[in-house]
Amino acid sequence: QKEVEQDPGPLSVPEGAIVSLNCTYSNSAFQYFMWYRQYSRKGPELLMYTYSSGNKEDGRFTAQVDKSSKYISLFIRDSQPSDSATYLCAMSGNTGNQFYFGTGTSLTVIP
Amino acid sequence: NAGVTQTPKFRVLKTGQSMTLLCAQDMNHEYMYWYRQDPGMGLRLIHYSVGEGTTAKGEVPDGYNVSRLKKQNFLLGLESAAPSQTSVYFCASSYSTDSGGARETQYFGPGTRLLVL
Repeated sequence: QKEVEQDPGPLSVPEGAIVSLNCTYSNSAFQYFMWYRQYSRKGPELLMYTYSSGNKEDGRFTAQVDKSSKYISLFIRDSQPSDSATYLCAMSGNTGNQFYFGTGTSLTVIP
Repeated sequence: NAGVTQTPKFRVLKTGQSMTLLCAQDMNHEYMYWYRQDPGMGLRLIHYSVGEGTTAKGEVPDGYNVSRLKKQNFLLGLESAAPSQTSVYFCASSYSTDSGGARETQYFGPGTRLLVL
């Protein structure tokens, strides 16, 4: 079983839609939960991170962590064509040196 | 401030050839990482370093070697390339926390596309 599972999509939505992206994980020691955005032929860039459980909001983006279910989500409100990218979840332990990534979900926002 | 840079951007190798990928960062980060990204597999950690002169194995280290002789540079070597090593290679770096672990924010380079024939 992989440490982190993520639906690869692809996901296609109309502009203005709410997008929900999700990951599940198996290691209960994970404490840091990150979402990266990767445009085609570019390196990933950090969107948001959350420590332990709870919600975090940044503009149109909201990250949620449910440690009891080992489930994390990223919501994108009022999606824009510029949001079209691959979204990767990543996780690490409290004192860990390694990060574990999901396979990424490909998102296309249609104008 | 260039961030994380990778050299070369693209390379074609024949099976059995060797090469070195160079990663450089100008942010004074302690931690540096090498990942490979393959379709359907996501980012997988090859090797990482928690400081100058130190290296450690990641999830998929076989067939690769690394060196961190200077804090700002992290080299990834392929001694005898195989077609299975065709991939996109990303380098990343991060700060360390006060407790010694890696910061949650990793800064990635633009990637090196490697094709092994």
